Amino acid sequence: AQSVTQLDSQVPVFEEAPVELRCNYSSSVSVYLFWYVQYPNQGLQLLLKYLSGSTLVKGINGFEAEFNKSQTSFHLRKPSVHISDTAEYFCAVSTFMNTGFQKLVFGTGTRLLVSP
Amino acid sequence: NAGVTQTPKFQVLKTGQSMTLQCAQDMNHEYMSWYRQDPGMGLRLIHYSVGAGITDQGEVPNGYNVSRSTTEDFPLRLLSAAPSQTSVYFCASSKDREDTGELFFGEGSRLTVL
Repeated sequence: AQSVTQLDSQVPVFEEAPVELRCNYSSSVSVYLFWYVQYPNQGLQLLLKYLSGSTLVKGINGFEAEFNKSQTSFHLRKPSVHISDTAEYFCAVSTFMNTGFQKLVFGTGTRLLVSP
Repeated sequence: NAGVTQTPKFQVLKTGQSMTLQCAQDMNHEYMSWYRQDPGMGLRLIHYSVGAGITDQGEVPNGYNVSRSTTEDFPLRLLSAAPSQTSVYFCASSKDREDTGELFFGEGSRLTVL
């Protein structure tokens, strides 16, 4: 069964500094990988996704992630963060149910705290 | 463009009461699902539907019922609320089996059971 591990529950960083949020997954088959962002009191919205092809994926708001099959990782990066990037970030991997439904398995989330 | 709409946004219940969380989507998506979000646990799948009239259980279905009479609506029913069901509930939709699995989420319903 697929699973996702987000090692850091909270990452504090200063504004304009670079940041990396780590995600490792376990899967025996090819997967789709996702990063979602949740701003306070809101639902989740998609930041970026890896389906196939280039291992470097670019998303919204200047974020990017690199798929590394040998290390089963999908780390999220941003070269210079803003105060407005303060949010919770979830990594997810897709898995198919018997019914054909494609379920997302989420990590426990990483809270990014950007301070001035 | 409304997307996925959930109501109510907040609800307080007493133990043993029942209620229904409403979810509607206007994107003509075949797949709909309910997740609950608890601190330190990420999101866990409660129930899902692959089309009108077809529902199935996810990881944590106990204490919840669903039905899907139309493509647009997917209500979640709590039959007899328990404090362990205090959580934030998210409804999500996705296109169909040929899609990438990208989910579109509602804004959430925060439920407190006393």
